[in-house]
Amino acid sequence: KQEVTQIPAALSVPEGENLVLNCSFTDSAIYNLQWFRQDPGKGLTSLLLIQSSQREQTSGRLNASLDKSSGRSTLYIAASQPGDSATYLCAVWAGGFKTIFGAGTRLFVKA
Amino acid sequence: NAGVTQTPKFRILKIGQSMTLQCTQDMNHNYMYWYRQDPGMGLKLIYYSVGAGITDKGEVPNGYNVSRSTTEDFPLRLELAAPSQTSVYFCASSPTEGSRYTFGSGTRLTVV
Repeated sequence: KQEVTQIPAALSVPEGENLVLNCSFTDSAIYNLQWFRQDPGKGLTSLLLIQSSQREQTSGRLNASLDKSSGRSTLYIAASQPGDSATYLCAVWAGGFKTIFGAGTRLFVKA
Repeated sequence: NAGVTQTPKFRILKIGQSMTLQCTQDMNHNYMYWYRQDPGMGLKLIYYSVGAGITDKGEVPNGYNVSRSTTEDFPLRLELAAPSQTSVYFCASSPTEGSRYTFGSGTRLTVV
């Protein structure tokens, strides 16, 4: 059974720091992985989708990497800002409707 | 540019009551989903639909029902509410399976 884990559950960093959020999954048989952002009391916003054949995807200050064989993905945020404070979730898709979500990492960027 | 709209945003139900959570999308997406999010847990799929008239159970369907009479609407029905259904419910849609999701802003439901 696929399990998705995000560690740490919470992270606090000073403004301007570059940071990495981690996502690990137990079954490497996935087709893609998405990273989402969730603001308090709001829905999830898709940030990046990385296909299993890709190693990286970039959007602005965000860069997601995927290593299927080791069951890991990272989300790199450059020059963090207080507006980046949110919960970041990853989700893996293994075909059909088998999208498995992690519980998320709550990020707080201090001004 | 509404995306996925969910109503209501908050609701308190008494045990045994029923209600319908509404979900509408204006992007002409075929695929729609209902998830629940519990504290410290990942989202769990309740039901999904691949198009009007076609629905199927997800991981945690017990106590819920859905219908999909149009492409735009995908309501979730709770029958005989129980405290275990206290959660935040999200509706989402996507153009195809495995593509990027668009989520609604959620419904926070408390059953007392």
